[in-house]
Amino acid sequence: GNSVTQMEGPVTLSEEAFLTINCTYTATGYPSLFWYVQYPGEGLQLLLKATKADDKGSNKGFEATYRKETTSFHLEKGSVQVSDSAVYFCALSGSSGNEKLTFGTGTRLTIIP
Amino acid sequence: GAVVSQHPSWVICKSGTSVKIECRSLDFQATTMFWYRQFPKQSLMLMATSNEGSKATYEQGVEKDKFLINHASLTLSTLTVTSAHPEDSSFYICSARDPNSYNEQFFGPGTRLTVL
Repeated sequence: GNSVTQMEGPVTLSEEAFLTINCTYTATGYPSLFWYVQYPGEGLQLLLKATKADDKGSNKGFEATYRKETTSFHLEKGSVQVSDSAVYFCALSGSSGNEKLTFGTGTRLTIIP
Repeated sequence: GAVVSQHPSWVICKSGTSVKIECRSLDFQATTMFWYRQFPKQSLMLMATSNEGSKATYEQGVEKDKFLINHASLTLSTLTVTSAHPEDSSFYICSARDPNSYNEQFFGPGTRLTVL
């Protein structure tokens, strides 16, 4: 079945540092890949997504590239801010677009001023 | 983006009682909603898929008689935890699929259930 392996946290960085959160997946076919963010006290929000190999999803300075050869979808940001402190979840869904989401374990990110 | 609400945001109940959690899509109609359970420091575990007008589809290992799901309208799904026990204490999250947004799932803020 489908699975997502995500870098364990927590991760603590200083403001303006470079961020990478690793995510690899196991799936049949051609899944869609997602990063969700959960800010304190709020529900999950879609941060970015990619639906096919070599696609790059980007939003709010975050980027992730769908790498089929390495089955990875690592999240990166060049300069993090305190407001980026949250829990980040990598997820995938099947290729039909209507299939359920499979989540990674989440990575708690804390940015210190 | 679309908005999904959950009610209540937290609830404390005695062991043996039943608790109902509501999930509403506020500005779109959702034929499909999902119920997840999140344990501390763990990921979201899909419990069931709720389809409007039909029976829910439960994931393997989830007791359908314990976690009753009703999706009676296009904007409301309910999860009832029957005869709750302390091991049912958890964070329950729903999501709703918006057919007008490429079937993207929008998540509610979650409900913290504590069973004493």
